Amino acid sequence: EVQLVESGGGLVQPGGSLRLSCAASGFPFSTYWMSWVRQAPGKGLEWVANIKYDGSEKNYVDSVRGRFIISRDNAKNSLYLQMNSLRVEDTAVYYCASNHWGWGQGTLVTVSS
Amino acid sequence: EIVLTQSPGTLSLSPGERATLSCRASQSVSGSYLAWYQQKPGQAPRLLIYVASSRATGIPDRFSGSGSGTDFTLTISRLEPEDFAVYYCQQYGSSPYSFGQGTNLEIK
Repeated sequence: EVQLVESGGGLVQPGGSLRLSCAASGFPFSTYWMSWVRQAPGKGLEWVANIKYDGSEKNYVDSVRGRFIISRDNAKNSLYLQMNSLRVEDTAVYYCASNHWGWGQGTLVTVSS
Repeated sequence: EIVLTQSPGTLSLSPGERATLSCRASQSVSGSYLAWYQQKPGQAPRLLIYVASSRATGIPDRFSGSGSGTDFTLTISRLEPEDFAVYYCQQYGSSPYSFGQGTNLEIK
């Protein structure tokens, strides 16, 4: 059974940092691109970043480039998102996503003073 | 950047009817890397279709995807009560990936 389980969300003040993690199982994680996608309250889906199966290529949406860093550890079947200089508008549920295997249940990040 | 436009914005149908949802891209989607998702209130999106026409694991065969280039379609052959939800398309052929704005499939 495919499982993607996110963790690390929470409440943080503007300008703060958080690190999200995603534990993957049930599929050959090290051979697939992975993404982070977010959904602000009451809004649609927004792709945030992706990473190639070997970590050699990374892409970001303009609004997070320079603040967020995506990474992976294939030995641990894990995906990460380091989020720095957080803004109120980064408040959302963050999903770990594979376009071929599905998504996790998400972790809520709230940026507020 | 590829912009995806979904139509209609809202689709009102009855159980047992056929639903046809459209997703149009502003430029050709590389490799037909186009996915469809279903989202119900309070739940994570559920992958239905990937690479335009391949059903994800466990997805009933009443769901089918078709299309290539810039025009893609999700068809639900006979609507079940649990199919009423919001549907999103996503292209992942080139970065930045992008989503459509969603189609709300509601009970008539």
